[in-house]
Amino acid sequence: GENVEQHPSTLSVQEGDSAVIKCTYSDSASNYFPWYKQELGKRPQLIIDIRSNVGEKKDQRIAVTLNKTAKHFSLHITETQPEDSAVYFCAASLGYSTLTFGKGTMLLVSP
Amino acid sequence: DAGVIQSPRHEVTEMGQEVTLRCKPISGHDYLFWYRQTMMRGLELLIYFNNNVPIDDSGMPEDRFSAKMPNASFSTLKIQPSEPRDSAVYFCASSPAGRGYNEQFFGPGTRLTVL
Repeated sequence: GENVEQHPSTLSVQEGDSAVIKCTYSDSASNYFPWYKQELGKRPQLIIDIRSNVGEKKDQRIAVTLNKTAKHFSLHITETQPEDSAVYFCAASLGYSTLTFGKGTMLLVSP
Repeated sequence: DAGVIQSPRHEVTEMGQEVTLRCKPISGHDYLFWYRQTMMRGLELLIYFNNNVPIDDSGMPEDRFSAKMPNASFSTLKIQPSEPRDSAVYFCASSPAGRGYNEQFFGPGTRLTVL
């Protein structure tokens, strides 16, 4: 089955800096790559996603890039703010709605 | 819509007891997923249903775990007997039908502690 590796496991940045989280996947048939944000004690919520026919997608301060050849995708957050502090999960899907999640990255943005 | 509803939000029980977790998916969603979240193992898919039918239960850790979906608006995850290593947050999520590109909407989770 699919295997998703996520790095780093923790990331500390200063407010205003950029943050990058990277994921790799094992199954070249995967075609959908969402990112979820989970604040402390809350549920995971989708923040951005990308399909395999697109190389990059941007939504305000958040962007995701996909390299199908290398089988990796990344989340980029620019101009980080304290409210960006959370655990971020990447995931990969082979279709039919199932997701395989990475282990998560705890992002801490210091004022 | 109220979103995915789970109950109870917190459950504390003693080893050997039966635990039943409940989930009401978003109306109209055809897929329902049960996940377990721990620090060590992250978010693990336990089982998922499509139109109330279990499709893949390969993530269920052992026979002590069972899940049912008797109708489109209700699902249960049961652990019998419970063990301390079952302590975790259990999430239910639902998703509309589609071509695999659909957002999964998570419930608030049930924090289970087995003493």
